Amino acid sequence: GQNIDQPTEMTATEGAIVQINCTYQTSGFNGLFWYQQHAGEAPTFLSYNVLDGLEEKGRFSSFLSRSKGYSYLLLKELQMKDSASYLCAVLDSNYQLIWGAGTKLIIKP
Amino acid sequence: GAVVSQHPSRVICKSGTSVKIECRSLDFQATTMFWYRQFPKQSLMLMATSNEGSKATYEQGVEKDKFLINHASLTLSTLTVTSAHPEDSSFYICSARDRDIGAFFGQGTRLTVV
Repeated sequence: GQNIDQPTEMTATEGAIVQINCTYQTSGFNGLFWYQQHAGEAPTFLSYNVLDGLEEKGRFSSFLSRSKGYSYLLLKELQMKDSASYLCAVLDSNYQLIWGAGTKLIIKP
Repeated sequence: GAVVSQHPSRVICKSGTSVKIECRSLDFQATTMFWYRQFPKQSLMLMATSNEGSKATYEQGVEKDKFLINHASLTLSTLTVTSAHPEDSSFYICSARDRDIGAFFGQGTRLTVV
C-alpha cells in the first residue's frame, strides 16, 4: 500500500530551527510537496521537490532523497506565526496526491 | 506562482438543497483537477479526480450521484453537493494540476448544512 509517515507533533522555541521529517512509500513518484495549514484554512503551498537535493526559499528549505524515500522541511528563525500543521504529500504515478497526516508544530516564546 | 480560485469560501444552506462550488485556474490550464474533503483533525481526503472533457473518477466510498463534478473547460471545474445533509458539512478543497510545475490548491469552501 501507499504510506507517508511524519511525526504527529513537534514543539520548538521562537527563533530556533526545526526539521520536520517525512518518509514515503508510494506507487511511483512525481514529486513531493510540503504544505502549511493553519487551523480552519486550506493548505498553502510551501515547496515542491522532484530532484534530489536541497531547495532553499527564504526561511524554509526542503530536502529530498528519492533513493531513501525521505524528505525534510527545515524552518529557520522560527516565528510564532509558524505555528501550524505541516503536510507532506507525494504525487504518485497517477498524479494523485498521497497525503501524510500532518505534523502539528507548536512554537513557544 | 500559479493561482487557483475557489468560490464561495463559505456557504450555509438548508438541508435538502444543493450547493455548487467552483474551482478556477486563473493563469494556467489545468487538464486535471482534484476535489478533496477535510474531516476534522484528519488529513485531506481525495474525493474525485476530473480530467477536462471526461467523467470524473471517484474514490471508493464517495457517492457520485451526490457529489456531481463537472470539468467542462481547462480552467473550470465545479462540485455540486446535491440534497445536502448536515453530515455533508465540511471543508471542501480543489486542486488544479499544471503538468510542468505541479498541483496548486484553492482557498477551500466551508460548507455548513443546517
